[in-house]
Amino acid sequence: QVQLQESGPGLVKPSETLSLTCIVSGFSISTGYHWGWIRQPPGKGLEWIGSVYHSGSTYYNPSLKSRVTVSVDTSKSQFSLKLSSVTAADTAVYYCTRDSYDRSDYWGRGTLVTVSS
Amino acid sequence: SSELTQDPTVSVALGQTVRITCQGDSLRTYYANWYQQKPGQAPVLVIYGKNNRPSGIPDRFSGSRLGNTASLTITGAQAEDEADYHCNSRDNSGNHWLFGGGTKLTVL
Repeated sequence: QVQLQESGPGLVKPSETLSLTCIVSGFSISTGYHWGWIRQPPGKGLEWIGSVYHSGSTYYNPSLKSRVTVSVDTSKSQFSLKLSSVTAADTAVYYCTRDSYDRSDYWGRGTLVTVSS
Repeated sequence: SSELTQDPTVSVALGQTVRITCQGDSLRTYYANWYQQKPGQAPVLVIYGKNNRPSGIPDRFSGSRLGNTASLTITGAQAEDEADYHCNSRDNSGNHWLFGGGTKLTVL
Protein backbone atom coordinates (compact mmCIF):
# COMPACT_ATOMS: atom_id res chain seq x y z
CA GLN A 1 0.00 0.00 0.00
CA VAL A 2 1.52 3.29 -1.12
CA GLN A 3 1.58 5.86 1.66
CA LEU A 4 2.84 9.44 1.71
CA GLN A 5 3.36 11.47 4.85
CA GLU A 6 4.19 15.16 4.99
CA SER A 7 6.29 16.58 7.79
CA GLY A 8 7.65 19.97 8.70
CA PRO A 9 7.02 23.10 10.77
CA GLY A 10 3.43 24.20 11.09
CA LEU A 11 4.41 27.84 11.60
CA VAL A 12 6.79 29.88 9.48
CA LYS A 13 7.65 33.57 9.83
CA PRO A 14 7.10 35.98 6.94
CA SER A 15 10.10 36.31 4.59
CA GLU A 16 11.52 32.98 5.75
CA THR A 17 11.68 29.67 3.88
CA LEU A 18 9.01 27.02 4.22
CA SER A 19 10.49 23.51 4.20
CA LEU A 20 8.49 20.30 4.02
CA THR A 21 9.41 16.67 3.51
CA CYS A 22 7.28 13.82 2.21
CA ILE A 23 8.21 10.29 3.25
CA VAL A 24 7.10 7.56 0.85
CA SER A 25 6.41 4.02 2.01
CA GLY A 26 5.05 0.92 0.31
CA PHE A 27 6.62 1.87 -3.02
CA SER A 28 10.11 2.51 -4.33
CA ILE A 29 10.54 6.21 -5.05
CA SER A 30 13.15 5.22 -7.66
CA THR A 31 10.63 3.30 -9.75
CA GLY A 32 9.50 6.00 -12.17
CA TYR A 33 6.68 8.41 -11.34
CA HIS A 34 6.82 12.07 -10.53
CA TRP A 35 6.53 13.24 -6.93
CA GLY A 36 4.64 16.47 -6.43
CA TRP A 37 3.37 19.15 -4.12
CA ILE A 38 -0.08 20.75 -4.16
CA ARG A 39 -1.45 23.31 -1.74
CA GLN A 40 -4.85 24.55 -0.66
CA PRO A 41 -5.34 27.88 1.16
CA PRO A 42 -8.09 27.76 3.78
CA GLY A 43 -11.50 27.71 2.11
CA LYS A 44 -10.03 27.84 -1.40
CA GLY A 45 -9.17 25.55 -4.29
CA LEU A 46 -6.14 23.45 -5.08
CA GLU A 47 -2.95 24.88 -6.56
CA TRP A 48 -0.19 22.79 -8.11
CA ILE A 49 3.25 23.84 -6.86
CA GLY A 50 5.68 21.57 -8.64
CA SER A 51 7.03 18.08 -9.06
CA VAL A 52 10.25 16.11 -9.34
CA TYR A 53 11.04 12.96 -11.27
CA HIS A 54 13.02 10.23 -9.54
CA SER A 55 15.99 11.24 -11.71
CA GLY A 56 15.84 14.76 -10.30
CA SER A 57 14.17 16.58 -13.22
CA THR A 58 11.83 19.25 -11.93
CA TYR A 59 8.72 21.10 -13.10
CA TYR A 60 7.32 24.16 -11.35
CA ASN A 61 4.19 26.29 -11.44
CA PRO A 62 5.28 29.37 -13.40
CA SER A 63 3.66 31.64 -10.83
CA LEU A 64 5.82 30.18 -8.03
CA LYS A 65 8.91 29.14 -9.96
CA SER A 66 11.18 31.89 -8.64
CA ARG A 67 10.60 30.78 -5.03
CA VAL A 68 10.24 27.00 -5.26
CA THR A 69 12.66 24.10 -5.09
CA VAL A 70 11.52 20.47 -5.13
CA SER A 71 14.12 17.76 -4.68
CA VAL A 72 14.24 14.01 -4.19
CA ASP A 73 16.41 11.80 -1.99
CA THR A 74 15.96 8.24 -3.22
CA SER A 75 18.26 6.85 -0.50
CA LYS A 76 15.82 8.06 2.16
CA SER A 77 12.68 7.42 0.09
CA GLN A 78 11.60 11.02 0.48
CA PHE A 79 11.22 14.24 -1.43
CA SER A 80 11.14 17.83 -0.28
CA LEU A 81 9.66 21.26 -0.91
CA LYS A 82 11.30 24.59 -0.20
CA LEU A 83 9.36 27.81 -0.72
CA SER A 84 11.30 30.99 -0.03
CA SER A 85 10.24 34.51 0.97
CA VAL A 86 6.88 33.38 2.28
CA THR A 87 3.98 35.72 3.04
CA ALA A 88 0.56 35.22 4.60
CA ALA A 89 -0.69 34.25 1.12
CA ASP A 90 1.36 31.07 1.40
CA THR A 91 -0.68 29.87 4.37
CA ALA A 92 -2.25 26.62 3.20
CA VAL A 93 -2.58 22.90 3.64
CA TYR A 94 0.29 21.35 1.70
CA TYR A 95 -0.16 17.93 0.13
CA CYS A 96 2.46 15.65 -1.36
CA THR A 97 1.43 13.37 -4.21
CA ARG A 98 2.56 10.55 -6.43
CA ASP A 99 1.98 11.49 -10.06
CA SER A 100 1.90 9.45 -13.21
CA TYR A 101 1.82 11.50 -16.41
CA ASP A 102 -1.94 11.66 -16.43
CA ARG A 103 -3.00 11.83 -12.77
CA SER A 104 -2.11 12.18 -9.10
CA ASP A 105 -3.11 8.82 -7.72
CA TYR A 106 -1.81 8.92 -4.15
CA TRP A 107 -1.95 11.85 -1.77
CA GLY A 108 -0.62 12.48 1.69
CA ARG A 109 -3.05 13.58 4.38
CA GLY A 110 -1.79 17.14 4.15
CA THR A 111 -0.12 19.46 6.62
CA LEU A 112 -1.22 22.96 7.52
CA VAL A 113 1.47 25.60 7.31
CA THR A 114 0.67 29.01 8.71
CA VAL A 115 2.79 32.03 7.86
CA SER A 116 2.72 34.46 10.75
CA SER A 117 5.09 36.39 12.96
CA SER B 1 -5.79 30.17 -21.73
CA SER B 2 -4.09 28.56 -18.74
CA GLU B 3 -7.18 28.28 -16.59
CA LEU B 4 -9.86 25.75 -15.77
CA THR B 5 -13.31 27.08 -14.81
CA GLN B 6 -15.86 25.34 -12.62
CA ASP B 7 -19.23 26.42 -11.24
CA PRO B 8 -18.74 27.16 -7.52
CA THR B 9 -21.87 25.33 -6.36
CA VAL B 10 -24.16 22.63 -7.72
CA SER B 11 -27.04 20.82 -6.04
CA VAL B 12 -28.86 17.59 -6.77
CA ALA B 13 -31.79 15.74 -5.25
CA LEU B 14 -30.99 12.41 -3.65
CA GLY B 15 -31.01 9.66 -6.25
CA GLN B 16 -31.00 12.01 -9.22
CA THR B 17 -28.28 12.59 -11.81
CA VAL B 18 -25.94 15.55 -11.69
CA ARG B 19 -23.28 16.84 -14.06
CA ILE B 20 -20.35 18.95 -12.88
CA THR B 21 -18.44 20.76 -15.61
CA CYS B 22 -14.93 22.10 -16.14
CA GLN B 23 -13.98 24.40 -19.01
CA GLY B 24 -10.58 25.29 -20.40
CA ASP B 25 -8.52 25.38 -23.57
CA SER B 26 -6.18 22.64 -22.36
CA LEU B 27 -9.12 20.24 -22.28
CA ARG B 28 -9.15 20.20 -26.09
CA THR B 29 -5.83 18.32 -25.83
CA TYR B 30 -5.79 16.67 -22.42
CA TYR B 31 -8.42 14.76 -20.49
CA ALA B 32 -9.54 16.04 -17.12
CA ASN B 33 -9.10 14.26 -13.85
CA TRP B 34 -11.66 14.62 -11.10
CA TYR B 35 -10.97 14.60 -7.38
CA GLN B 36 -13.52 14.36 -4.59
CA GLN B 37 -12.70 16.14 -1.34
CA LYS B 38 -14.69 15.89 1.86
CA PRO B 39 -14.19 18.35 4.74
CA GLY B 40 -10.88 17.93 6.51
CA GLN B 41 -9.70 15.21 4.13
CA ALA B 42 -7.27 14.97 1.26
CA PRO B 43 -8.67 14.82 -2.27
CA VAL B 44 -9.42 11.39 -3.70
CA LEU B 45 -9.17 10.60 -7.41
CA VAL B 46 -12.55 9.48 -8.76
CA ILE B 47 -12.15 9.78 -12.55
CA TYR B 48 -9.04 9.99 -14.72
CA GLY B 49 -8.29 9.96 -18.41
CA LYS B 50 -11.01 9.35 -20.96
CA ASN B 51 -13.35 7.76 -18.38
CA ASN B 52 -11.45 5.60 -15.91
CA ARG B 53 -12.34 4.87 -12.30
CA PRO B 54 -9.69 3.87 -9.76
CA SER B 55 -10.34 0.72 -7.80
CA GLY B 56 -13.05 1.24 -5.19
CA ILE B 57 -14.81 4.15 -6.90
CA PRO B 58 -18.51 3.37 -7.53
CA ASP B 59 -19.65 3.07 -11.12
CA ARG B 60 -22.19 5.85 -10.63
CA PHE B 61 -19.23 8.20 -11.31
CA SER B 62 -18.35 8.75 -14.97
CA GLY B 63 -16.44 11.27 -17.05
CA SER B 64 -16.74 12.72 -20.53
CA ARG B 65 -15.36 15.49 -22.72
CA LEU B 66 -16.77 17.63 -25.50
CA GLY B 67 -14.60 20.32 -27.03
CA ASN B 68 -13.13 22.42 -24.24
CA THR B 69 -15.52 21.12 -21.58
CA ALA B 70 -15.04 18.10 -19.35
CA SER B 71 -17.87 16.71 -17.27
CA LEU B 72 -18.19 14.53 -14.21
CA THR B 73 -21.55 12.80 -14.02
CA ILE B 74 -22.95 11.15 -10.92
CA THR B 75 -25.87 8.90 -11.81
CA GLY B 76 -28.09 8.36 -8.77
CA ALA B 77 -26.36 10.72 -6.34
CA GLN B 78 -26.02 9.48 -2.77
CA ALA B 79 -25.77 11.46 0.43
CA GLU B 80 -22.11 10.45 0.74
CA ASP B 81 -21.35 12.13 -2.59
CA GLU B 82 -21.79 15.56 -1.00
CA ALA B 83 -18.30 17.03 -1.29
CA ASP B 84 -16.09 19.42 -3.21
CA TYR B 85 -15.08 18.26 -6.66
CA HIS B 86 -11.90 19.52 -8.32
CA CYS B 87 -10.95 19.07 -11.96
CA ASN B 88 -7.42 19.20 -13.26
CA SER B 89 -5.49 18.62 -16.44
CA ARG B 90 -2.11 19.23 -17.98
CA ASP B 91 -1.63 22.71 -19.38
CA ASN B 92 -0.97 23.21 -23.11
CA SER B 93 2.79 22.74 -22.58
CA GLY B 94 2.14 19.31 -21.09
CA ASN B 95 4.64 19.99 -18.31
CA HIS B 96 2.44 21.63 -15.69
CA TRP B 97 -0.82 20.92 -13.93
CA LEU B 98 -3.86 23.18 -13.82
CA PHE B 99 -6.71 23.02 -11.34
CA GLY B 100 -10.23 24.38 -11.52
CA GLY B 101 -11.56 26.39 -8.59
CA GLY B 102 -13.65 23.48 -7.35
CA THR B 103 -17.40 22.79 -7.21
CA LYS B 104 -19.26 22.26 -3.95
CA LEU B 105 -21.91 19.59 -4.51
CA THR B 106 -24.91 19.58 -2.20
CA VAL B 107 -27.18 16.51 -2.13
CA LEU B 108 -30.67 17.56 -1.12
